[in-house]
Amino acid sequence: GENVEQHPSTLSVQEGDSAVIKCTYSDSASNYFPWYKQELGKRPQLIIDIRSNVGEKKDQRIAVTLNKTAKHFSLHITETQPEDSAVYFCAASNYGGSQGNLIFGKGTKLSVKP
Amino acid sequence: DSGVTQTPKHLITATGQRVTLRCSPRSGDLSVYWYQQSLDQGLQFLIQYYNGEERAKGNILERFSAQQFPDLHSELNLSSLELGDSALYFCASSPRGGGRYNEQFFGPGTRLTVL
Repeated sequence: GENVEQHPSTLSVQEGDSAVIKCTYSDSASNYFPWYKQELGKRPQLIIDIRSNVGEKKDQRIAVTLNKTAKHFSLHITETQPEDSAVYFCAASNYGGSQGNLIFGKGTKLSVKP
Repeated sequence: DSGVTQTPKHLITATGQRVTLRCSPRSGDLSVYWYQQSLDQGLQFLIQYYNGEERAKGNILERFSAQQFPDLHSELNLSSLELGDSALYFCASSPRGGGRYNEQFFGPGTRLTVL
């Protein structure tokens, strides 16, 4: 089955700096890669996603890149703000099949220092 | 607010007991997924239902079961509870079981504490 590795487990940056979180996946059939942000005690919230027919996607300060050959994808947050502090999870799934469950990485705790 | 609702918010019970967690998906969504989040295991997929039928199983224990009803709400039943079952249980919904639109939106979760 699919396995998703996520690094780093913790990341501390200064406000205004960029943050990069990386994930690798094992199943070449995976073709949908969402990123979720989770604040303490709250639900995971979808912040951006990418499908395997696209190499990069941007939404304001957030971007995701995908390298299908190497089976890795990354989240880039520019001009970080204290409210970006949270745990970020990457995930992978095969949305073309009859199932669509997400396999998550272990999460990255991002701390943005003012 | 994602449109996915879960009840109860908190549940405290004793070992050996049985509990039922409830989830109502977003309007129009046919798929419901259950995930368990514990400190050491992260977010683990448990089970998926699509339009009333079981579609996929993940790391779900035999003591746990789920179902999806004709009105599309779902229930997760946890029995013979152990201390290690203490976790946040999330459900998520998506329009389809797979296919083109698989964005999953999570409910607020149920925090289960087993004493």
